[in-house]
Amino acid sequence: KQEVTQIPAALSVPEGENLVLNCSFTDSAIYNLQWFRQDPGKGLTSLLLIQSSQREQTSGRLNASLDKSSGRSTLYIAASQPGDSATYLCAQRGVKNQGGKLIFGQGTELSVKP
Amino acid sequence: DGGITQSPKYLFRKEGQNVTLSCEQNLNHDAMYWYRQDPGQGLRLIYYSQIVNDFQKGDIAEGYSVSREKKESFPLTVTSAQKNPTAFYLCASSISSRPTYEQYFGPGTRLTVT
Repeated sequence: KQEVTQIPAALSVPEGENLVLNCSFTDSAIYNLQWFRQDPGKGLTSLLLIQSSQREQTSGRLNASLDKSSGRSTLYIAASQPGDSATYLCAQRGVKNQGGKLIFGQGTELSVKP
Repeated sequence: DGGITQSPKYLFRKEGQNVTLSCEQNLNHDAMYWYRQDPGQGLRLIYYSQIVNDFQKGDIAEGYSVSREKKESFPLTVTSAQKNPTAFYLCASSISSRPTYEQYFGPGTRLTVT
């Protein structure tokens, strides 16, 4: 069974700190991995998509890496701000995933304190 | 302005009633998806459609039905057969169901059944 795990479930940091969110997946045969942000009661906003042929993707203060061999991805947030407070979800699209569906982790709830 | 709209934002129903959730996109995407999100759990796939007039069951299709008569629209009906319908429902779309493409999500509909 394909599983995606995110640890920790919740994280609280002071403003300005650099931080790393972790995502691990059991199926190394993936097409890509996508990171999302979800604000309370809202839909998902796509942050970064890393194809299996890539090692990392960057967008502003965000950097996502992918290591298929170890089944891990990380999302690095530089100089965190209170506006970064949200739940961050990772999702993998595996070779075996029917219809292009995403398999999601449970998310890491991030709180950045001023 | 291109995007995915879901309506209504909040929906309340009595047990035993069918209810239909709307999802519309103007991104000209071929593939559309319905996911369900429960507290503390990742998103799970209910149904997906790769093309007009075609759709496939996802991991938790029991008690749900869909239609795809138009490219832009993919409504989800929650029937009385769904044993635990209270949840946050998210619609997504993608240019294609080919796995290299990113999925984009709507704002979600929170359904409460009492």
